[in-house]
Amino acid sequence: DAGVIQSPRHEVTEMGQEVTLRCKPISGHNSLFWYRQTMMRGLELLIYFNNNVPIDDSGMPEDRFSAKMPNASFSTLKIQPSEPRDSAVYFCASSPPAGGFAGELFFGEGSRLTVL
Amino acid sequence: DQQVKQNSPSLSVQEGRISILNCDYTNSMFDYFLWYKKYPAEGPTFLISISSIKDKNEDGRFTVFLNKSAKHLSLHIVPSQPGDSAVYFCAATSGTYKYIFGTGTRLKVLA
Repeated sequence: DAGVIQSPRHEVTEMGQEVTLRCKPISGHNSLFWYRQTMMRGLELLIYFNNNVPIDDSGMPEDRFSAKMPNASFSTLKIQPSEPRDSAVYFCASSPPAGGFAGELFFGEGSRLTVL
Repeated sequence: DQQVKQNSPSLSVQEGRISILNCDYTNSMFDYFLWYKKYPAEGPTFLISISSIKDKNEDGRFTVFLNKSAKHLSLHIVPSQPGDSAVYFCAATSGTYKYIFGTGTRLKVLA
């Protein structure tokens, strides 16, 4: 079975450019999460979708960040305009239906973003 | 304000010995704890978990201990193997989707 698929794996861009990260969750999973990993803060939850609906976006750092989930098999995280401090590894994770509790999270391999 | 803290950024252990990774938390509402393992250029993968109604959970070479009064959990790996070299994250939740992760501990098992 395919796991969570993220693209691109690596992205190098210049400050001010738009960045779009993509995620395909595991089929049948109804929860999707975007995390950001930095040395200082570890893994931070940016946004959580349940059944394609954004439930909690309180972790999105600024209005420059936006995320969408148009259907059960695709999500995007967009940064516009990008800044050097956005440089990090961005992970997408999904989890299967489990009542009110997420259960085990299945992570993608991450997208490493470098903003020059 | 870090609610989940892993105060040791790195740890080196000889092959065959015990590895002990520690994690402290501040929120007494947390009732479920997990450990994830991460290899370079890969996403974190689930390793082991424990509910707050237990104080120990074992799975093969991996055991997680929970001390609720001290708000402390630890992961023991016995015996440690070179393939265990990775970054280990602990995470906590109060029974919802919101997992709070620590900053990770890099374990190096020396052959």
